Amino acid sequence: AQSVTQLDSQVPVFEEAPVELRCNYSSSVSVYLFWYVQYPNQGLQLLLKYLSGSTLVKGINGFEAEFNKSQTSFHLRKPSVHISDTAEYFCAVSGSQGAQKLVFGQGTRLTINP
Amino acid sequence: DGGITQSPKYLFRKEGQNVTLSCEQNLNHDAMYWYRQDPGQGLRLIYYSQIVNDFQKGDIAEGYSVSREKKESFPLTVTSAQKNPTAFYLCASSIRTPRAQFFGPGTRLTVL
Repeated sequence: AQSVTQLDSQVPVFEEAPVELRCNYSSSVSVYLFWYVQYPNQGLQLLLKYLSGSTLVKGINGFEAEFNKSQTSFHLRKPSVHISDTAEYFCAVSGSQGAQKLVFGQGTRLTINP
Repeated sequence: DGGITQSPKYLFRKEGQNVTLSCEQNLNHDAMYWYRQDPGQGLRLIYYSQIVNDFQKGDIAEGYSVSREKKESFPLTVTSAQKNPTAFYLCASSIRTPRAQFFGPGTRLTVL
């Protein structure tokens, strides 16, 4: 089974500052990793995914994440945030073989201050 | 446009009543999922289906039921046995498991 820990429940940053949202996972098998964003009263939107290959993954809206197998981490970064990035962000993991369920972290609320 | 639709967006139910939430996708995805989201919490899996006429319980299936008679449709029934049904319900689909899941806009259910 897999599990995910998002290390910060809330992250406040100023507009145009860089941000990192931290995600650690545990698994006894190889994994697929995902980041989703949720705006208020909406569904989740896929930001980026790691399935295989390059450990640096680029996604939509200028976000990127790096898969670090030795540290079992998949942190999300953006070099300069905007007010519109204010949302809830979820990290998720699944095993890479067979009918694996997607396991979500508890979410990180990113608040951008002007 | 391809996507996932959920209806209704808001739903109110009296205690003791069953209610059915609709989920339709036109992405030609094999797998579909139902999640429950409570304030300040992550998503918890209720049921999932990898193929038509087959579905499996997730982590919190008690008080819920589903059917998968068509590839495009995966309705969720919240029964009167669900003790605390007020929540935000999200439907998702993926081309197969395990792969990235794509989500609908959600249904907010309130029990009066």
